[in-house]
Amino acid sequence: DIQMTQSPSSLSASVGDRVTITCQASQDISNYLNWYQQKPGKAPKLLIYDASNLETGVPSRFSGSGSGTDFTFTISSLQPEDIATYYCQQYDNLPTFGPGTKVDIK
Amino acid sequence: EVQLVESGGGLVQPGGSLRLSCAASGFTVSSNYMSWVRQAPGKGLEWVSVIYSGGSTYYADSVKGRFTISRDNSKNTLYLQMNSLRAEDTAVYYCARVRVVRAFSFDPWGQGTLVTVSS
Repeated sequence: DIQMTQSPSSLSASVGDRVTITCQASQDISNYLNWYQQKPGKAPKLLIYDASNLETGVPSRFSGSGSGTDFTFTISSLQPEDIATYYCQQYDNLPTFGPGTKVDIK
Repeated sequence: EVQLVESGGGLVQPGGSLRLSCAASGFTVSSNYMSWVRQAPGKGLEWVSVIYSGGSTYYADSVKGRFTISRDNSKNTLYLQMNSLRAEDTAVYYCARVRVVRAFSFDPWGQGTLVTVSS
């Protein structure tokens, strides 16, 4: 099974800061990598698919990049409404999620 | 509007059974891949099961042999039959549509239903 790691596990940043989260797969997954945002008490929401494609309606301050085993998720200018936990998810044979990164405001 | 609504969660004793339902609107369940994902309290997301449009089913090792995913095309509803439940199955269970052409991403998600396994 493919294992996913994310770093950091949590971070605090100021409004307007650039925030970067990394996700690493235990083997090559090409670009089969998606990113989700989950706010407390809510279902996850798809933000990025195929590593770098922005889901319709998602603000352009969110972006993703990478391929193979190493991926990056970026919020270009952190907003108060971005407080959430962010998960990466791979699909090679069967899907698995990363452990999540909790983002809050400093 | 594309929407998923789960139901059927609750408190069940270890070793017991429960069936979750996920009613879909705005799209046809049988024409899509559909999945269940769970989240234990305070923990991350764990994929549980998927049913392909052709009917093939797959499970996480943690539930294989105990859980069964199915669908009722006439009701446009997805199910998860959970047997031999354990304390570690306690979680919020979400159903989600799988978008195969978009890296097997999950969208949309239901609101979730809480399953608590405890004596």
